[in-house]
Amino acid sequence: EDQVTQSPEALRLQEGESSSLNCSYTVSGLRGLFWYRQDPGKGPEFLFTLYSAGEEKEKERLKATLTKKESFLHITAPKPEDSATYLCAVQARYNFNKFYFGSGTKLNVKP
Amino acid sequence: EAQVTQNPRYLITVTGKKLTVTCSQNMNHEYMSWYRQDPGLGLRQIYYSMNVEVTDKGDVPEGYKVSRKEKRNFPLILESPSPNQTSLYFCASSFRQQETQYFGPGTRLLVL
Repeated sequence: EDQVTQSPEALRLQEGESSSLNCSYTVSGLRGLFWYRQDPGKGPEFLFTLYSAGEEKEKERLKATLTKKESFLHITAPKPEDSATYLCAVQARYNFNKFYFGSGTKLNVKP
Repeated sequence: EAQVTQNPRYLITVTGKKLTVTCSQNMNHEYMSWYRQDPGLGLRQIYYSMNVEVTDKGDVPEGYKVSRKEKRNFPLILESPSPNQTSLYFCASSFRQQETQYFGPGTRLLVL
């Protein structure tokens, strides 16, 4: 069964304190892994897509990496405006139309 | 402005009273999808549509219907809502299913 697990559920950081969020997945052939950011009361907003193990993508203080079993979202020197829930989703090769989301990591960055 | 819109944003209803949540996108996207988001369960896919008149079930389709008569619109229909359908609903669209999804602002539904 295709499954996505994110950890930790919640993470509290001080401003400037770097850390990583984890997304573990089991899927019958990964087509793509997606990271989204969700602010309270809003819909998810796209951050990155990763397609193959070893791939990395960066955007400002965020860097996403992918292995055959998991993805990490590294946050370097976070700022309070990085506070949000970060969602991970996978798309399987056997059916491009279906997406499986994790339950998210709620990040709180204190000034 | 490129966007996905949903209406209504908030809805309180009673068990058994049919309702429709509308979704519209102005980006000429082929692929559209509905999700529900519940605490601890994440986003779960209800239905999706690859193009006009082409729809299929996601992981949690029970109790829901959809239609895609026009490319821009993808309404979600609850024929007989029940309390277990109380949730936050999101519509999403993308140019094709392989590509980045753009999400609407969400519809918060409470079924009493």
